[in-house]
Amino acid sequence: DGGITQSPKYLFRKEGQNVTLSCEQNLNHDAMYWYRQDPGQGLRLIYYSQIVNDFQKGDIAEGYSVSREKKESFPLTVTSAQKNPTAFYLCASSTLAGGPGEQFFGPGTRLTVL
Amino acid sequence: ELKVEQNPLFLSMQEGKNYTIYCNYSTTSDRLYWYRQDPGKSLESLFVLLSNGAVKQEGRLMASLDTKARLSTLHITAAVHDLSATYFCAVGYGGSQGNLIFGKGTKLSVKP
Repeated sequence: DGGITQSPKYLFRKEGQNVTLSCEQNLNHDAMYWYRQDPGQGLRLIYYSQIVNDFQKGDIAEGYSVSREKKESFPLTVTSAQKNPTAFYLCASSTLAGGPGEQFFGPGTRLTVL
Repeated sequence: ELKVEQNPLFLSMQEGKNYTIYCNYSTTSDRLYWYRQDPGKSLESLFVLLSNGAVKQEGRLMASLDTKARLSTLHITAAVHDLSATYFCAVGYGGSQGNLIFGKGTKLSVKP
């Protein structure tokens, strides 16, 4: 089955810790995206990547970091510099060939700061 | 800066009734998407609208796009409880980058 997987489903972080959220896709999509969703809000873009070894900041990149070493994988690290990280994190991917395609979303990771 | 506004943000409907959700956006775009989100879940793609005048229908939902008015609508016909969810519109920007700006969502509750 083609799709996007995220792990873990739930994650708890202590103050001052860095944590890494996993995102993997087997859709052969070029582009991958990380969004943050707060309760009752829409999605806000954290980082995106169109090609391996390259990525760009989105609207709320401060306190986050990413890497794109493989086409299939786009992990997100929430650093201790992110002061309010409790949120629902969604990873998405899309094709870019022939124009940008629709974004497909993974199941999400719910991060809670203790 | 591209802004996307949805209204209403909350909608309580009775089963069997019709209603429309509106999505306005502030700058030119050639791509608009509608997604559904159930509580605690991820986003599910509903419609992809890529041209002026595009209309797509799936079951009791119909989406349309007017790029000149910068407006998309999601029309619900004869609502049923299973349609209760939050609906987001998302507008494409950045050309080939494929980025999206999301509205805040419309939380729909369909009551018997």
